[in-house]
Amino acid sequence: GENVEQHPSTLSVQEGDSAVIKCTYSDSASNYFPWYKQELGKGPQLIIDIRSNVGEKKDQRIAVTLNKTAKHFSLHITETQPEDSAVYFCAARKRGTSYGKLTFGQGTILTVHP
Amino acid sequence: DADVTQTPRNRITKTGKRIMLECSQTKGHDRMYWYRQDPGLGLRLIYYSFDVKDINKGEISDGYSVSRQAQAKFSLSLESAIPNQTALYFCATSSEATGGAAFFGQGTRLTVV
Repeated sequence: GENVEQHPSTLSVQEGDSAVIKCTYSDSASNYFPWYKQELGKGPQLIIDIRSNVGEKKDQRIAVTLNKTAKHFSLHITETQPEDSAVYFCAARKRGTSYGKLTFGQGTILTVHP
Repeated sequence: DADVTQTPRNRITKTGKRIMLECSQTKGHDRMYWYRQDPGLGLRLIYYSFDVKDINKGEISDGYSVSRQAQAKFSLSLESAIPNQTALYFCATSSEATGGAAFFGQGTRLTVV
């Protein structure tokens, strides 16, 4: 089955700096890669996603890049703010599987210091 | 997401007890999922359902069962709870119209003592 590895497990940055979280996946049949943000006491919330026919996608201060050849994708957060502090999860879905049937990475605890 | 509601939010139960976690949604999505979250392991899929008559095992279904009572309701049962089932449980929904996005409830924190 699919395996998703996520690094780093914790990331600490100063406000205004950039943060990058990286994930690798094992199954070349995966074609959908969402990123979720989980704040304390809440469920994961989708913040951005990318499909295998696209190399990069941006939404204001966040962006995701995908390298299909290397089978890795990354989340980039620029101009970080304290409210960006949360746990971030990457995930992958294999082509042909149900839309919500995701394989998740282990999570990254991001702390943004004011 | 308030559209996906889980009850209870917190529960402490004893080893060997049967417990049911409930999920209801007002999103009108046909697909529902139960995930389990453990520190350092991310979220892992327990069961998923495409509609009321379709139930499928996920990655870690042993020790769990589910019931899809209606399109909007999906419950997870632990027939005989054990301590290593202590975890955070999430219900999620999706549909073809969401284009792949899954929407999660607020979670249920279950402790088995």
